[in-house]
Amino acid sequence: DTGVSQNPRHKITKRGQNVTFRCDPISEHNRLYWYRQTLGQGPEFLTYFQNEAQLEKSRLLSDRFSAERPKGSFSTLEIQRTEQGDSAMYLCASSPGDSSYEQYFGPGTRLTVT
Amino acid sequence: AQSVSQHNHHVILSEAASLELGCNYSYGGTVNLFWYVQYPGQHLQLLLKYFSGDPLVKGIKGFEAEFIKSKFSFNLRKPSVQWSDTAEYFCAVLDTGRRALTFGSGTRLQVQP
Repeated sequence: DTGVSQNPRHKITKRGQNVTFRCDPISEHNRLYWYRQTLGQGPEFLTYFQNEAQLEKSRLLSDRFSAERPKGSFSTLEIQRTEQGDSAMYLCASSPGDSSYEQYFGPGTRLTVT
Repeated sequence: AQSVSQHNHHVILSEAASLELGCNYSYGGTVNLFWYVQYPGQHLQLLLKYFSGDPLVKGIKGFEAEFIKSKFSFNLRKPSVQWSDTAEYFCAVLDTGRRALTFGSGTRLQVQP
């Protein structure tokens, strides 16, 4: 399957711990997005990469959040000093970068902070 | 700032009933609109999209949506739903500057056999 993959699928952590999620986009997609989805809501944009450059960051992305895409392929999202409010589904999407703007979503990583 | 409103949070229909899910958007730029579907236990999938041209767009699985500029709406329709259409449906508008999607809060559709 050549879709977007995310690891881990589930993560349970204690408040104050750091966590890191990984996203592998569809190969040759040069745009990569991170979104966060909480129960009963639609996904909310966090950040966007074009190749290795992080071009946009939402105000939702506090200083405790950092994202990288070092070689323009996979991406990582790290949350430092997790808080209970960080509990959510973290979604990754990729896009081919042409004018279609279609985004293809991965299965998400569900984070539970206890 | 752009926003998307989906007023129907939970819809219950019987099989073969017709479906219309409302979506209203607010965006000042060029409008690119999407409907995504999330089946139970699966990831978000694109149903259909509108960029320009014919305001009536057809998507997968018999779904269609109509862009009505004067009403800022992009409602999703299907003439006859099936049990397999049970899912959550999200409307989204693209911020062409940020390349980011702004989603509505979703409509949970339950189709009873």
